[in-house]
Amino acid sequence: EAQVTQNPRYLITVTGKKLTVTCSQNMNHEYMSWYRQDPGLGLRQIYYSMNVEVTDKGDVPEGYKVSRKEKRNFPLILESPSPNQTSLYFCASSFYGELAGAGTGELFFGEGSRLTVL
Amino acid sequence: SQKIEQNSEALNIQEGKTATLTCNYTNYSPAYLQWYRQDPGRGPVFLLLIRENEKEKRKERLKVTFDTTLKQSLFHITASQPADSATYLCALPRRGNTGKLIFGQGTTLQVKP
Repeated sequence: EAQVTQNPRYLITVTGKKLTVTCSQNMNHEYMSWYRQDPGLGLRQIYYSMNVEVTDKGDVPEGYKVSRKEKRNFPLILESPSPNQTSLYFCASSFYGELAGAGTGELFFGEGSRLTVL
Repeated sequence: SQKIEQNSEALNIQEGKTATLTCNYTNYSPAYLQWYRQDPGRGPVFLLLIRENEKEKRKERLKVTFDTTLKQSLFHITASQPADSATYLCALPRRGNTGKLIFGQGTTLQVKP
């Protein structure tokens, strides 16, 4: 089954304790992206990756890191989490050629990771 | 700056009626526009894409229009059902950077039986 898998789905942590949210897709997609969703602010892009070893900032990258060492994985790293990073996080993937206009550009989203930083 | 606006107020309609949701954008010339559905606590699910050279796109009970002069897309659900109740998001690529897909805040639709 084609899917984007995020872990953990729920996490409560404390300020300053490094954490990683993993994201894996099994569709051989070149493009992967992280979003956060907050009430009243909608989905905001944190980082995205066009392909292995290629990453770029989205609109709200501060406080986050990413890496893309393998095509299927795109972990989101919070080196020193703060309460303002409490949010619902989504990973998404797509074929880049489709995003560029060759197809529907459909983004496949994971189920989300709800993070609370105390 | 580039902005996408969707009606933040929930839309409440009766079952069987047509729901119409609006997506307005400014300072964009998007090559395409997408619509997604999101259920509470779940990830968005892709519904439709419409390109700048298309006026209208249909898929079953869904219809999307794209007016590049008005900078607006309308999303219609005909013969609405309670199962259509969800939040609907529109999304556009940032000008000059297709890696950045920007989402509107979404409009929540409630279909009452």
